[in-house]
Amino acid sequence: NAGVTQTPKFRVLKTGQSMTLLCAQDMNHEYMYWYRQDPGMGLRLIHYSVGEGTTAKGEVPDGYNVSRLKKQNFLLGLESAAPSQTSVYFCASTARGGYGYTFGSGTRLTVV
Amino acid sequence: AQRVTQPEKLLSVFKGAPVELKCNYSYSGSPELFWYVQYSRQRLQLLLRHISRESIKGFTADLNKGETSFHLKKPFAQEEDSAMYYCALWWGSQGNLIFGKGTKLSVKP
Repeated sequence: NAGVTQTPKFRVLKTGQSMTLLCAQDMNHEYMYWYRQDPGMGLRLIHYSVGEGTTAKGEVPDGYNVSRLKKQNFLLGLESAAPSQTSVYFCASTARGGYGYTFGSGTRLTVV
Repeated sequence: AQRVTQPEKLLSVFKGAPVELKCNYSYSGSPELFWYVQYSRQRLQLLLRHISRESIKGFTADLNKGETSFHLKKPFAQEEDSAMYYCALWWGSQGNLIFGKGTKLSVKP
């Protein structure tokens, strides 16, 4: 019963470095999402995907890119990390027509 | 525009006391509302959805369309209820959830 799995769980980057966060779900969900969680800001949507090969921008997309090459995977990329991207990143998924999300356990990213 | 407001950043109560976490929403359509809970450094878990009108861990929430509210209530708080609580609004055809900024509930012994 894996559900939604995020890797890595923790990462420290230097300013300007790049990295990719992986989200994998085994529930055959159509929709997948990337959020960032910051103190006092709640969860803010970065990008989302409504199906394999499709992506769309959320509320705070700048500095991030995403890809959904396979239905079960949703990748979040940081091309040139900045300290403002220090955050906890959550991936979530849901079925088409479903209500509510299943969340991953989060990736804690620090950019120094 | 759709919006979810949780007016309290922190709510502190004593064990056994009633608790109410407030949530107000702004949405022109028929709302689908949820409460999520996040225990310390864990993933968000679905606590309640208004459409199912269920009670989980003693929590209930009633949708009040007149007041555009979806407050979360529990008659007797327990220490294990200490957590971050997020109210969320489901909108649009692409399954987007908008979250409030969250309320941290602290239940003191």
